[in-house]
Amino acid sequence: GDSVTQMEGPVTLSEEAFLTINCTYTATGYPSLFWYVQYPGEGLQLLLKATKADDKGSNKGFEATYRKETTSFHLEKGSVQVSDSAVYFCALSVDNYGQNFVFGPGTRLSVLP
Amino acid sequence: SQTIHQWPATLVQPVGSPLSLECTVEGTSNPNLYWYRQAAGRGLQLLFYSVGIGQISSEVPQNLSASRPQDRQFILSSKKLLLSDSGFYLCAWSVWGTGRNTEAFFGQGTRLTVV
Repeated sequence: GDSVTQMEGPVTLSEEAFLTINCTYTATGYPSLFWYVQYPGEGLQLLLKATKADDKGSNKGFEATYRKETTSFHLEKGSVQVSDSAVYFCALSVDNYGQNFVFGPGTRLSVLP
Repeated sequence: SQTIHQWPATLVQPVGSPLSLECTVEGTSNPNLYWYRQAAGRGLQLLFYSVGIGQISSEVPQNLSASRPQDRQFILSSKKLLLSDSGFYLCAWSVWGTGRNTEAFFGQGTRLTVV
């Protein structure tokens, strides 16, 4: 079946450090890929997305590129801030009709001042 | 614009009591609707999803049930809560049948504690 694997962390970085959170997937079809962010006590917010190979999603300084050959969608940010502390979820969706989403386990990021 | 409302935000219920969580979506028609549960420090577990009124798919056999009495209303219920039902419950929706780039939109969640 479809699945998403990501590093579970926690990841602790100093402010202005470079961030990479790895995400790989397996899918029976041609998935769309997403990164969601969850701040404490809140629901998930879409951070960025990519719908086909070599697409780059970007938002708020975060980037991820859809790599079909390596089935990966790694999240990167050049300089993290304390406000980026949250849990990050990689996800995929297949089959737009009756669409289902598959989420990774989430990676907790703590950024220290 | 579309919005999703989920309530209550927090709930403390005794073991054996019933449960009803409600979710409504505004600004769209015929959405896909989802209920997820997130245990403390864990990822998301899909509980139910619905592609239309009265159409419910259950992903995990358990103590919970879901209903969709109206197009944009999704209800999560239990007749008798268990301690293991504690968690953070998230409702979500996505657009039906418009292309590959649809994403899921989440409510703010309900923190359920069963005591």
